[in-house]
Amino acid sequence: AQTVTQSQPEMSVQEAETVTLSCTYDTSESDYYLFWYKQPPSRQMILVIRQEAYKQQNATENRFSVNFQKAAKSFSLKISDSQLGDAAMYFCAYMAGNTGTASKLTFGTGTRLQVTL
Amino acid sequence: NAGVTQTPKFQVLKTGQSMTLQCAQDMNHNSMYWYRQDPGMGLRLIYYSASEGTTDKGEVPNGYNVSRLNKREFSLRLESAAPSQTSVYFCASRATGGWNQPQHFGDGTRLSIL
Repeated sequence: AQTVTQSQPEMSVQEAETVTLSCTYDTSESDYYLFWYKQPPSRQMILVIRQEAYKQQNATENRFSVNFQKAAKSFSLKISDSQLGDAAMYFCAYMAGNTGTASKLTFGTGTRLQVTL
Repeated sequence: NAGVTQTPKFQVLKTGQSMTLQCAQDMNHNSMYWYRQDPGMGLRLIYYSASEGTTDKGEVPNGYNVSRLNKREFSLRLESAAPSQTSVYFCASRATGGWNQPQHFGDGTRLSIL
């Protein structure tokens, strides 16, 4: 079974600074996809960024980027120019590529990000 | 834009009571999912429905049943609630058509069982 590990329960960053959230995963699959979701206090789950395992190029969405190291099974999220609105729980998630229409997600335990002035 | 709608938002039950959590999506998505979120545990999949007419167990199905009533609606039932089922429950839906179709989540139901 696939597992996703987020070893940082909490992180803190000053406004306008850069922070990196760590995620590692374990899988025997070669075809899979990785995601970062944000959960603000409102409890909504918001997709931040996604990465295809077969692509070497790291995904980028505005201030959010990933460092995908396939051999190391590592998928970290970098938030640049942090804003107060970035404060939230961040979840790393894995999806196997051969599940047909099922497309089940396996989530890590989350990292709570605080943004300070 | 309704998206995924869950009802109720909050509920308190006594041990042994039954309850059905409702979920409806208006995006014409084929796949729907039920997760539970516990402190320090992330989201864990309870049941899912890859398409209308099918349901399958996820990681933590014990104590739950589901019904895919139609393409829009996917309900989760607790037949005899237990304190261990105190959690926040999320419903999600997803369109078929490629890996980059994300799951869309509802706002969650906070369920407390005394």
